[in-house]
Amino acid sequence: GQNIDQPTEMTATEGAIVQINCTYQTSGFNGLFWYQQHAGEAPTFLSYNVLDGLEEKGRFSSFLSRSKGYSYLLLKELQMKDSASYLCAPRYNTDKLIFGTGTRLQVFP
Amino acid sequence: GAVVSQHPSWVICKSGTSVKIECRSLDFQATTMFWYRQFPKQSLMLMATSNEGSKATYEQGVEKDKFLINHASLTLSTLTVTSAHPEDSSFYICSARRQSAYEQYFGPGTRLTVT
Repeated sequence: GQNIDQPTEMTATEGAIVQINCTYQTSGFNGLFWYQQHAGEAPTFLSYNVLDGLEEKGRFSSFLSRSKGYSYLLLKELQMKDSASYLCAPRYNTDKLIFGTGTRLQVFP
Repeated sequence: GAVVSQHPSWVICKSGTSVKIECRSLDFQATTMFWYRQFPKQSLMLMATSNEGSKATYEQGVEKDKFLINHASLTLSTLTVTSAHPEDSSFYICSARRQSAYEQYFGPGTRLTVT
């Protein structure tokens, strides 16, 4: 498999910053997606990284290191509505996305 | 935008019956659609990849005769769960991809309960 590894659960408080890490197998790697999924709903697109480095998009940023097989999603100024699962999904030499088990983030007041 | 719809949003059926789920891309043409299944507190598991006008490619362990996929047009794919059993109860989600793009846009999902 692609050995996608991300923490199962994380907690944080409103207004804080949280970093969700993801490691994956590098062989055949082409790019990495992050999706947000609220309970009982379909995933929504957050970011897509192909090149090394940090891409910022509002309160959310995503980082990629291709050589290390490592990515993280950074969430700033956390809000209660950010409580959700965050799915790391690398893309390999096909159209398919391989989803990790997701990180369930709980934001407390 | 890129909107994908699914119908129905939820369905309850009796064991042994068949259920059809529709996935439509509303404002773009989807050359490829994907069907996923998600059990509670688990990640999305890809079931099959569907290309318009050709046969679907099923993932290992997914029975093609049980999960019939038809991608009849660039905006519609259907998944039919045949002879459903309680263990088929799950959240079925489709996604669609434009030609020459990698991002997948997800539908809202269909919750299937087989009694």
